[in-house]
Amino acid sequence: DAKTTQPTSMDCAEGRAANLPCNHSTISGNEYVYWYRQIHSQGPQYIIHGLKNNETNEMASLIITEDRKSSTLILPHATLRDTAVYYCIVRATTSGTYKYIFGTGTRLKVLA
Amino acid sequence: DAGVIQSPRHEVTEMGQEVTLRCKPISGHDYLFWYRQTMMRGLELLIYFNNNVPIDDSGMPEDRFSAKMPNASFSTLKIQPSEPRDSAVYFCASTPQGGVGTQYFGPGTRLLVL
Repeated sequence: DAKTTQPTSMDCAEGRAANLPCNHSTISGNEYVYWYRQIHSQGPQYIIHGLKNNETNEMASLIITEDRKSSTLILPHATLRDTAVYYCIVRATTSGTYKYIFGTGTRLKVLA
Repeated sequence: DAGVIQSPRHEVTEMGQEVTLRCKPISGHDYLFWYRQTMMRGLELLIYFNNNVPIDDSGMPEDRFSAKMPNASFSTLKIQPSEPRDSAVYFCASTPQGGVGTQYFGPGTRLLVL
């Protein structure tokens, strides 16, 4: 599975959009991009995933570049409750293993 | 659905004692994962099962760690004997086969070995 690179930390003002980047320059054609977040002392929580096209759900939007070497998770209106560590993971769904490798993630702090 | 259930939520024990962590996956999920999280090493996959069979245990740190899944609704992670360096938060997660691989995590067990 491809490795990912994320900034260590970011700040965002409450009510503003939080844009979290992820670099996955070695991604393969059959690898999806997944985003999870972990609020302090809780288990990681699934946010969104995508392959090629941009995706949106009730929590966030995922923008994947055309060459698929990077992506951005967008929280459109960040709240204090969005303060968490955000993990970007790539994984081949055809591998049959469903195995994730978590990196260090981005620690997002939403400021009042 | 109750989600993934883990017990106990907190465990404090003394070095040398046996520790057993328990997990009940979401009903119908075919994959079960055990992770360990520490400040130093982050979130690490220890072992995972498919249909109750261990598939990959390459993350299990040493022979003191063992995991079993006697049926589709129950798994245990055992540490014997425990050491202070085993102190961590242990998470269990599950996912259904044939899906997109979204893993659903339990609340974790916070283990402190004195």
